[in-house]
Amino acid sequence: QSALTQPRSVSGSPGQSVTISCTGTSSDVGGYNYVSWYQQYPGKAPTLMIFDVTKRPSGVPDRFSGSKSGNTASLTISGLQPEDEADYYCYSYAGTHNLFGGGTKLTVL
Amino acid sequence: EVQLVVSGSGPGQPGGSLRLSCVASGFTFKNYWMFWVRQAPGEGLVWVSGINTSGTGTNYADSVKGRFTISRDNDKSTVYLQMNSLRAEDSALYYCVKSMRPFDSVGPSDYWGQGTLVTVSS
Repeated sequence: QSALTQPRSVSGSPGQSVTISCTGTSSDVGGYNYVSWYQQYPGKAPTLMIFDVTKRPSGVPDRFSGSKSGNTASLTISGLQPEDEADYYCYSYAGTHNLFGGGTKLTVL
Repeated sequence: EVQLVVSGSGPGQPGGSLRLSCVASGFTFKNYWMFWVRQAPGEGLVWVSGINTSGTGTNYADSVKGRFTISRDNDKSTVYLQMNSLRAEDSALYYCVKSMRPFDSVGPSDYWGQGTLVTVSS
């Protein structure tokens, strides 16, 4: 049960786009369309941003989008805003259990 | 309003036991899978365990299998995590988490409790 692989950090300037990758295997990310993404601010509980690979909960800006190709899922944030600076975690069903990625710290320059 | 209120935090000794409780309100508890997720200080999120709606089906991360037991009491709208044979690496903030869709174990979670800190130290 290894964690899904995410880059430790990404950065971008306001208005730019960034993409965070989440790499797993055919037993988790690649095997099911049940990838979610969470945003977490320091000292706060995570908030759901994307579910079922591409869907956005109500209230999440459409600047956030998700996709998947093979064993790698991606979260793209377009039109970066200062409030997007946070940690982001991917999450996937893996058959008998669920898995998180190691987390990516997004810095808005 | 959905609320998940966790109690039972505290210090634990290596090899000892602790039990966490999570009291839910604001939704039909018996229709939702519930999960425990933990986060060590400065570290990432780690899925720990999940339980089905009736309490008859459970799953665990390898790191806690055989030591932790998840259970629920639908009459009390409460989910528990019994933690035995504690190790220093079990020290973390433990979140109680609700599945977003009824009867769904595979999808996302939409509500997280406030988290309760477990510290395992001699």
